[in-house]
Amino acid sequence: KAGVTQTPRYLIKTRGQQVTLSCSPISGHRSVSWYQQTPGQGLQFLFEYFSETQRNKGNFPGRFSGRQFSNSRSEMNVSTLELGDSALYLCASGDPGSGELFFGEGSRLTVL
Amino acid sequence: DQQVKQNSPSLSVQEGRISILNCDYTNSMFDYFLWYKKYPAEGPTFLISISSIKDKNEDGRFTVFLNKSAKHLSLHIVPSQPGDSAVYFCSRSYGQNFVFGPGTRLSVLP
Repeated sequence: KAGVTQTPRYLIKTRGQQVTLSCSPISGHRSVSWYQQTPGQGLQFLFEYFSETQRNKGNFPGRFSGRQFSNSRSEMNVSTLELGDSALYLCASGDPGSGELFFGEGSRLTVL
Repeated sequence: DQQVKQNSPSLSVQEGRISILNCDYTNSMFDYFLWYKKYPAEGPTFLISISSIKDKNEDGRFTVFLNKSAKHLSLHIVPSQPGDSAVYFCSRSYGQNFVFGPGTRLSVLP
């Protein structure tokens, strides 16, 4: 069974630009959540989607948005990038049976 | 509001000894607590969980203890191995809502 796939793995942007990150969950998983990891801040929850609907949202500004498609693939978008948005963005798909989250390897965003 | 706290940012332990990683929480509503391990440049991987109705769960070298009255849980690794060196995240799950702690970096010294 293929794991969670995130693209791109690495990207560099400049302030003011926007970025779109993609996540393909494990086949059969309908829940996809996104996290931001920065040094010392742990994993901060961005949002969670289930069957194309956003069910939960973390405490991030409106510049951070996401969506989920009918095949459960998800994208997140960050507009008007700021230096502080530099982070590792992790996507996870949820196994409803076990309650576990399975993470992708992340997309490392650097904002210059 | 830090719902899940891991007050030790780092921990160093000698190989073969016990590693104890601690986690405190404020919200008593949860289905599971889960521990995830993260190596550099990789996504976190699930390690072990404990449900709200248990006070202990064991899986090989890993044991998690839950003290609901103290709102505290701990992960014990015995014996510790150099390959256990990683960042460990404690996570509370309720429904599909997961909250992670800031992580503890464990270094197991040979």
